[in-house]
Amino acid sequence: EPEVTQTPSHQVTQMGQEVILRCVPISNHLYFYWYRQILGQKVEFLVSFYNNEISEKSEIFDDQFSVERPDGSNFTLKIRSTKLEDSAMYFCASSVWSQGDIQYFGAGTRLSVL
Amino acid sequence: GQNIDQPTEMTATEGAIVQINCTYQTSGFNGLFWYQQHAGEAPTFLSYNVLDGLEEKGRFSSFLSRSKGYSYLLLKELQMKDSASYLCADRSYNTDKLIFGTGTRLQVFP
Repeated sequence: EPEVTQTPSHQVTQMGQEVILRCVPISNHLYFYWYRQILGQKVEFLVSFYNNEISEKSEIFDDQFSVERPDGSNFTLKIRSTKLEDSAMYFCASSVWSQGDIQYFGAGTRLSVL
Repeated sequence: GQNIDQPTEMTATEGAIVQINCTYQTSGFNGLFWYQQHAGEAPTFLSYNVLDGLEEKGRFSSFLSRSKGYSYLLLKELQMKDSASYLCADRSYNTDKLIFGTGTRLQVFP
């Protein structure tokens, strides 16, 4: 069964460093998403992406964050200068269509900022 | 949709039936999702309701009442592997994002 894959599974970084989290969405999907989950808290929406553009972003997704689809398969989330409070599980998701369609989630990348 | 409410924790016995409730704000509602999440793993899609009524899928069923802003997930013939968090999420019109509740942690005991 096709699945969303994310790498790495765990990333440890120093505060102020840049990190790039990688995702390979399901191949025929057109809409891509990033969510995060701080330990013990809700899953929170960060950003949605379609046709090489951000279609929607939350207030969490400030200037420190960016997304990119560098080629036909990868979808990346970059955090320019990590803060302690960026420590969380970051989930990538994808769907064929947008509204009314199921979003399938990857296994996540656990980001630990020290 | 905002303010998804669901119980924090529930316990049940293997073989039993459990119902996990979820309430949400009805304005602009455009679909209610249930996901299962085992500790440290990805949310896995279980069900999607956009119309009133019951959707049955094997041991799992999901119900929606749009007028009441209410949904439930019904798990039958519970198994130990059903111990997980169950996340209720809704989506509003003209948005792609899912708004998640805090999740209900279900523990199944033998």
